[in-house]
Amino acid sequence: DGGITQSPKYLFRKEGQNVTLSCEQNLNHDAMYWYRQDPGQGLRLIYYSQIVNDFQKGDIAEGYSVSREKKESFPLTVTSAQKNPTAFYLCASSQGFYSYEQYFGPGTRLTVT
Amino acid sequence: GQNIDQPTEMTATEGAIVQINCTYQTSGFNGLFWYQQHAGEAPTFLSYNVLDGLEEKGRFSSFLSRSKGYSYLLLKELQMKDSASYLCAVTESNYQLIWGAGTKLIIKP
Repeated sequence: DGGITQSPKYLFRKEGQNVTLSCEQNLNHDAMYWYRQDPGQGLRLIYYSQIVNDFQKGDIAEGYSVSREKKESFPLTVTSAQKNPTAFYLCASSQGFYSYEQYFGPGTRLTVT
Repeated sequence: GQNIDQPTEMTATEGAIVQINCTYQTSGFNGLFWYQQHAGEAPTFLSYNVLDGLEEKGRFSSFLSRSKGYSYLLLKELQMKDSASYLCAVTESNYQLIWGAGTKLIIKP
């Protein structure tokens, strides 16, 4: 079955530690995205990638980093510089950039204490 | 500036009809999406409107008026499983996607 996987579903970290969230897709999509979702707010774009080896900052990129070395994979690192990292993180992909339906992974709920 | 407005929460009765509105002010327009998101889960695509008018898909329909910056999602024959948040998102002229905060729909028996 084609789809997007994110792991783990729940992740707990101590303050000051970097953590990497995985995102893998086997839909052969060119574009991939990382969003953050907080209660009562819309999805906020962290980073996006339109093609392998290229990525762009979204609206709230500070304290995050990404890589896109393979078409299937778009991992997100939450660094210790991110002031408020506890959130629900969603990865998505689409066939083309933005005008196309986005397919979402199941999300990772990160808690930093 | 960019802005998408949706009601925060709505309540409806099983078997009834509900209309969820979305108004937007964005830098240009290249389409409007509706997604459904159950609590703690990923959003799933419902509809995409780029031209004015009504798009019907089973129990769900979506309407767009570009001149008014307005869309609605119409859900008919409501079922308990329709309890979820419904997210409106607009693609601007630069193809950036702007998301509304979502409308939480509560279905009562």
